[in-house]
Amino acid sequence: GQQVMQIPQYQHVQEGEDFTTYCNSSTTLSNIQWYKQRPGGHPVFLIQLVKSGEVKKQKRLTFQFGEAKKNSSLHITATQTTDVGTYFCTGTYKYIFGTGTRLKVLA
Amino acid sequence: ETGVTQTPRHLVMGMTNKKSLKCEQHLGHNAMYWYKQSAKKPLELMFVYNFKEQTENNSVPSRFSPECPNSSHLFLHLHTLQPEDSALYLCASSQERGDSYGYTFGSGTRLTVV
Repeated sequence: GQQVMQIPQYQHVQEGEDFTTYCNSSTTLSNIQWYKQRPGGHPVFLIQLVKSGEVKKQKRLTFQFGEAKKNSSLHITATQTTDVGTYFCTGTYKYIFGTGTRLKVLA
Repeated sequence: ETGVTQTPRHLVMGMTNKKSLKCEQHLGHNAMYWYKQSAKKPLELMFVYNFKEQTENNSVPSRFSPECPNSSHLFLHLHTLQPEDSALYLCASSQERGDSYGYTFGSGTRLTVV
């Protein structure tokens, strides 16, 4: 069946450093959505990408959808302690979420 | 407040107990979902309801029994659970099934089976 893998599983960064998480699907996706879950919280919708090669920005966050629509990335510039949490992707196909990347930011 | 309300927030139950989790949304969404989130595991889909009809059952054991009386309410009835069922149970809703506009999650019920 379809799988959505994210790498890395964990990432510790110093505050101010950049961070990138990658989402890889075994099948072509019609769209990709990204969510953030703070420690002790619930997933919160961040953004959706639909077009091949699409790039969207939200302040320090940059989201990209691959040309083949099988992978995506989330890049955070100059991380802050408020960025701590787990970032999930989903292609919404069969409601499957990625394995998540847990980000810790060291002040 | 997310627009999706789950009760209770925390639940401790014995393996012989029967309990129910409740989810309510007033967002006008037509699809509702139950997800299970265990420690260090990805979100696992359990059930999907679209316009009150169950459209997905992700091979969930029968000790979990969902109920969707209308598009705004979703229940998860629990009976004879196992300790490995301890997890965070998340309810979500979306405008349509497999929605392009994102899922709205509730705050979850933290379940501990003793």
